[in-house]
This record gives sequence, structure tokens and C-alpha cells, in this order.
Amino acid sequence: DGGITQSPKYLFRKEGQNVTLSCEQNLNHDAMYWYRQDPGQGLRLIYYSQIVNDFQKGDIAEGYSVSREKKESFPLTVTSAQKNPTAFYLCASRTGGALNIQYFGAGTRLSVL
Amino acid sequence: AQSVSQHNHHVILSEAASLELGCNYSYGGTVNLFWYVQYPGQHLQLLLKYFSGDPLVKGIKGFEAEFIKSKFSFNLRKPSVQWSDTAEYFCAVNAPRGSTLGRLYFGRGTQLTVWP
Repeated sequence: DGGITQSPKYLFRKEGQNVTLSCEQNLNHDAMYWYRQDPGQGLRLIYYSQIVNDFQKGDIAEGYSVSREKKESFPLTVTSAQKNPTAFYLCASRTGGALNIQYFGAGTRLSVL
Repeated sequence: AQSVSQHNHHVILSEAASLELGCNYSYGGTVNLFWYVQYPGQHLQLLLKYFSGDPLVKGIKGFEAEFIKSKFSFNLRKPSVQWSDTAEYFCAVNAPRGSTLGRLYFGRGTQLTVWP
């Protein structure tokens, strides 16, 4: 069953703690994306990666870090520098070529304890 | 940078009413346009898309959207809504050329509530 798997579904972070959100895809897509969704603000791009071992900052990258060591995986770390991490995080991957369509995972809801 | 405006934050309709959700974008070049829908507790799903050709595009579940280039608009329509259309709807735009190839710019979303 092809798709994008995000884990965990719910995550709690303590003050000063780094947490990592997992995103795995088996769609053989080159490009992957991380978005943050807050009520009334739509989706804002955190980081994206067009290819393995390469990634770029999006609009709200401060306090976040990523890696892209494998095509299938694009984990997002929310660092202690991110002062307002409570949000819904969505991972996406994109078809290549002319079919520029992004497919989304089910999301991870991060809360601060 | 591109921006996307969705005019309505929350729309409330009765079943069988007609729906139109506004979306405007700011980018003068060639664009790809999308509407995504997020049903309660579900994945964000593609509702419909416009890449080129006929400016009136049809999507799933009876939705359609019209691309009006002169107005930089891509409004979503449905002639008769159902209770199951209750969801949040997002308009998105992408510039298919340049270094930001592939990234989407999203509007803030419109929450649609349909009363049975």
C-alpha cells in the first residue's frame, strides 16, 4: 500500500527538549516537504528537499532541522530553539516531471508539556 | 514571493445550497493551481488542479473551479453541497519554473460547515 507515513500521531515535548518527527514515503518521489499547520494560518513551509542529501529552508525554518540521507525518509527535528512548537505538522512528497502534485501524510500533532 | 488569499475564513451553508469559495493569488507568470480538502481527522487530499488548457476544471465529488487569468483567481464551486462536504478547503499555487520548482504556497484555508 503506497503512501506517506508520519509517526507518531501525537507527540509531547518538554521544555528544552529536541523531538524528531518521522516521515517515510514509498512512492519513489524525489521531492519531500514539511509544513506546519496552525488554525487560521493555512500551511506554512518549514523545509523542503528536492533530492537526497540536499534540502532548503522554507518560510519558517528557524528552530527546526532536517536531514535527507535516504530517498524514502525526511525526518524533522523540532529543537529547543523553537519557542512555539505546538502545531500540526504535515509531511508531503511530490510527483516528478510535469505532474507537479503533492501528496500528504496524516500528520503529527505536537504539544508542549 | 507568491501569496494566496482566501476571502472566507468560515462558511456555513445548509444542504443543497450552492457554494463558491474565493481564491486569489499574486504571481504574474505561469502557475499551477490547486484546491486541497481536509475532512475531519483525514489526510489533506487533492480536490482538483489546473495546469493548462480549459480554465474550467472538474474535480472529485462534484466540485469544479474556474481559472480567470485576468483576475488572478481560481474560485471553487459546487452547485449543491452535502453534509459530507464539511471540511477545510485550501487553495494553493505553484510556479512551475525556477529554483522553487515544486513548492506550494497555500492560502489560510476556509472552513466549510454544512448543516443537514
